[in-house]
Amino acid sequence: DVKVTQSSRYLVKRTGEKVFLECVQDMDHENMFWYRQDPGLGLRLIYFSYDVKMKEKGDIPEGYSVSREKKERFSLILESASTNQTSMYLCASSLRSAQRGAGYEQYFGPGTRLTVT
Amino acid sequence: DQQVKQNSPSLSVQEGRISILNCDYTNSMFDYFLWYKKYPAEGPTFLISISSIKDKNEDGRFTVFLNKSAKHLSLHIVPSQPGDSAVYFCAASAHNAGNMLTFGGGTRLMVKP
Repeated sequence: DVKVTQSSRYLVKRTGEKVFLECVQDMDHENMFWYRQDPGLGLRLIYFSYDVKMKEKGDIPEGYSVSREKKERFSLILESASTNQTSMYLCASSLRSAQRGAGYEQYFGPGTRLTVT
Repeated sequence: DQQVKQNSPSLSVQEGRISILNCDYTNSMFDYFLWYKKYPAEGPTFLISISSIKDKNEDGRFTVFLNKSAKHLSLHIVPSQPGDSAVYFCAASAHNAGNMLTFGGGTRLMVKP
């Protein structure tokens, strides 16, 4: 069973604070993703990584950065939290499917509900 | 502009009846489609998928239909159960876009006992 864990389920931070969200997967997946989920907007991709130390911007990278120093761990950083970053943050991982003939399924962690006040 | 759209934000169905969730897409490069289910305070879980070379895929109570000419897919749940009450997201992937998924806005399904 694929397991994706996120460091916190609920987090409350103040405006201007630096925030770290950590994600760990135990299935040796090459790809890892960070999304935010907001009502009516679905899941929007912030950043993804297809290998250690590699990262690509998603649809809404502004105000965020990421770090992938080890294959199993992918961190999302809010350099200076703002109230419009209050959201549910979801981490996911997947195989690099093209090479392995697998589907494009991504496996998600439980999410972190971040509130910025 | 949203490339994957779920036009019904919510759907209410009686237990035992069929639930039909719809999804439209605009990008003709999409060739793989997935449905995810999400309960409150949990991450989405993969439900069922379909490749563009098929027009139907079945897994137990869940069937996904793909109409490529209409750029439309639907998820049928028969019979619906109260435990199916959740938010359902459709997602799409293009072969030339690596492993990225583009998600729709979600449909909240409520199955009434």
